[in-house]
Amino acid sequence: GAVVSQHPSRVICKSGTSVKIECRSLDFQATTMFWYRQFPKQSLMLMATSNEGSKATYEQGVEKDKFLINHASLTLSTLTVTSAHPEDSSFYICSAAGHPNTEAFFGQGTRLTVV
Amino acid sequence: AQSVTQPDIHITVSEGASLELRCNYSYGATPYLFWYVQSPGQGLQLLLKYFSGDTLVQGIKGFEAEFKRSQSSFNLRKPSVHWSDAAEYFCAVEGSSNTGKLIFGQGTTLQVKP
Repeated sequence: GAVVSQHPSRVICKSGTSVKIECRSLDFQATTMFWYRQFPKQSLMLMATSNEGSKATYEQGVEKDKFLINHASLTLSTLTVTSAHPEDSSFYICSAAGHPNTEAFFGQGTRLTVV
Repeated sequence: AQSVTQPDIHITVSEGASLELRCNYSYGATPYLFWYVQSPGQGLQLLLKYFSGDTLVQGIKGFEAEFKRSQSSFNLRKPSVHWSDAAEYFCAVEGSSNTGKLIFGQGTTLQVKP
């Protein structure tokens, strides 16, 4: 199957700083990438959908100015958590879908801890 | 709105016993359905998916699932559970056709007793 690589797998940052998470499709072109958030012992909640070359579409309740998403190429999307606070600590997972394939492939996830 | 419900938050089975994890969905059209497994601190691994055709779907690691439209269900089964199957299992439905956007159930934690 297709491979999606997410980096870093684990990051600790200080409160108030920004953190960038990368999601790369290694062997296919991803026209659409999705960013999910998972709190401990909970399900995955979709944060936003990004299409290459256009602005991301955020789900209700997700702050677009806090969670900046860039999808500048067909193989890379980034999520930047700006001015991170402890409540932003979570597991962030991306997935990528190529066209016309309907299946989205998941990255390994990034464990963000804000101290 | 589309939704997915996994009624069982936690299930414990003995190694070698059979397993069934329940999943119910709410979706207006023919759904695209998925089962994923997640080990602690890890990403998601796709077990199987249903898009169309045969309602009994075979997946990896000996898992299968059956789509029952009349019951709006997509239950996951395995005839004989192994200790390595202990993990979190998520059922998901594709929110809009042909987009890859998934709506997940709450997850079921599977514990396997020796």
